[in-house]
Amino acid sequence: GEDVEQSLFLSVREGDSSVINCTYTDSSSTYLYWYKQEPGAGLQLLTYIFSNMDMKQDQRLTVLLNKKDKHLSLRIADTQTGDSAIYFCAESRVSGGYQKVTFGTGTKLQVIP
Amino acid sequence: DVKVTQSSRYLVKRTGEKVFLECVQDMDHENMFWYRQDPGLGLRLIYFSYDVKMKEKGDIPEGYSVSREKKERFSLILESASTNQTSMYLCASSYLRQGSVEQYFGPGTRLTVT
Repeated sequence: GEDVEQSLFLSVREGDSSVINCTYTDSSSTYLYWYKQEPGAGLQLLTYIFSNMDMKQDQRLTVLLNKKDKHLSLRIADTQTGDSAIYFCAESRVSGGYQKVTFGTGTKLQVIP
Repeated sequence: DVKVTQSSRYLVKRTGEKVFLECVQDMDHENMFWYRQDPGLGLRLIYFSYDVKMKEKGDIPEGYSVSREKKERFSLILESASTNQTSMYLCASSYLRQGSVEQYFGPGTRLTVT
């Protein structure tokens, strides 16, 4: 079946760049997403990339997609303490006429002041 | 700035009770979803709905049912709660058109079944 994998934990110093990686198995993915979940809150859609794109930049966030290797990454430039959260990668594909989304297990980002 | 609200943040129920979790969105989205979130398992889709009175099973529908009588409201029902349904439940709504995605999650309901 479809699988999305992420490392569980990442620690960076404030001001450094963070890179969160994700791999997925479904070659028919249409969209790939990054979500942020702060403690006690629901998920916030940070950014998404269509599967025919290689890169998307949005302010401090850069998403890179290597479709051949089925590898997605999220780079956060100038990481701040407010970026501490769990980051989920997800992929979606059309299944039975609907967009079906599969989530990774999440990467906990700890930003050290 | 209300987008997706869930009826309760915390809920404690006894085994065998019937439990209703309500979700309301104010963005006129067609699609609504119920997920459960458990440590180490990420989010797993329970049910989703793409229109009023329509519903589709997700990956783990067993023990759950849903109701969507109005576009803005999607309810998750645990007919007879069990301890293995202790979890964080997240509702989401979305809009997907050519090249454009809009999706919002509610704050979650942490359900404990004793």
